[in-house]
Amino acid sequence: EDKVVQSPLSLVVHEGDTVTLNCSYEVTNFRSLLWYKQEKKAPTFLFMLTSSGIEKKSGRLSSILDKKELFSILNITATQTGDSAVYLCAVVKAAGNKLTFGGGTRVLVKP
Amino acid sequence: DAMVIQNPRYQVTQFGKPVTLSCSQTLNHNVMYWYQQKSSQAPKLLFHYYDKDFNNEADTPDNFQSRRPNTSFCFLDIRSPGLGDAAMYLCATSRAGYNYGYTFGSGTRLTVV
Repeated sequence: EDKVVQSPLSLVVHEGDTVTLNCSYEVTNFRSLLWYKQEKKAPTFLFMLTSSGIEKKSGRLSSILDKKELFSILNITATQTGDSAVYLCAVVKAAGNKLTFGGGTRVLVKP
Repeated sequence: DAMVIQNPRYQVTQFGKPVTLSCSQTLNHNVMYWYQQKSSQAPKLLFHYYDKDFNNEADTPDNFQSRRPNTSFCFLDIRSPGLGDAAMYLCATSRAGYNYGYTFGSGTRLTVV
């Protein structure tokens, strides 16, 4: 059975801190891994990762994939209160086009 | 702007009264998905259309049906909503292929009373 596991479940930090979110997966025929940010609405796309070791960066957010160890991390530096959200990791398999989501990490950034 | 639009944003329905949620897209994506997301849980795939081909998840209750009359529109029908069906329903689209991402609509929050 395919599995996508995110850790930690939740964390609380203060503005300016750096956070690292983890996503590990066990799926057959892996194609890509996606990160989303979800506030009280639909998920917003952050990154798509298909190759190992290539960091993707967007402002204060960055992410990398390790296809050998089957995990990805999402880093947020210099956190702001607007970064408070649930961060979802999802995996796409080569066969079919479905997203399998992890349970999410809830991040709360305090002023 | 090309996008995925869900209507309505909020829907209140009575226990057992059929309800239909709609999704339209201007992206010309050939794959459309319906996800159910209950409070504090990850989105769960109900079914998806790959072009006109309907693909149901094994654990999707029979109470949930879907229609895709054309490329742009997809509907989610809940035949007899129960209290346990209260959730956010998310429509998403993608273009099948290795490097294409997914686009989500803004969701419909369903309340069953």
